[in-house]
Amino acid sequence: EAQVTQNPRYLITVTGKKLTVTCSQNMNHEYMSWYRQDPGLGLRQIYYSMNVEVTDKGDVPEGYKVSRKEKRNFPLILESPSPNQTSLYFCASSFRGGLSGANVLTFGAGSRLTVL
Amino acid sequence: SQQGEEDPQALSIQEGENATMNCSYKTSINNLQWYRQNSGRGLVHLILIRSNEREKHSGRLRVTLDTSKKSSSLLITASRAADTASYFCATDAGWTSYGKLTFGQGTILTVHP
Repeated sequence: EAQVTQNPRYLITVTGKKLTVTCSQNMNHEYMSWYRQDPGLGLRQIYYSMNVEVTDKGDVPEGYKVSRKEKRNFPLILESPSPNQTSLYFCASSFRGGLSGANVLTFGAGSRLTVL
Repeated sequence: SQQGEEDPQALSIQEGENATMNCSYKTSINNLQWYRQNSGRGLVHLILIRSNEREKHSGRLRVTLDTSKKSSSLLITASRAADTASYFCATDAGWTSYGKLTFGQGTILTVHP
């Protein structure tokens, strides 16, 4: 089954304790990205990757790191989490194709992170 | 920044009624997409309409796009309780956006049995 898999789905941690949220896709997509969803703010892009070893900042990159060493994996790293990073995180991937290059995202199920 | 603004923020209807959600955006787009999110779950792509299209249908979904007004609407006909979810529009500026979709705030649709 074509899917994007995120882990963990739920995590409660404390300020300053480094954590990694993994993301893996099995569709051979070039594009992968991370979004966070907060009430009243909608979905905001954190980082994206156009292909292996190619990453760039989205709208809200502060406090996050990413890497893309393999095509299928795109982990999100919080080096020193803070309470304002409490959020619902989504990984998404896409194959930009077609004549117009439309970008249709396939989302993971989400990772709910609480930082105390 | 969120380009898409959706209206209404919440919509409550009875089963069998039609539901209409609107989306406005600010900059030029290559295409506009609608996604659905069941409570706390991942978003699922519903339908895409390109900038040179005015209307598109998929099952009970009808999407319109007016690029002169920078607006789109999603119509769900003969709604069912299972349609209860949040609906988001997302704009895609094309190749220059490097894969980024910009999402609206979403419309929460509740369909009562």
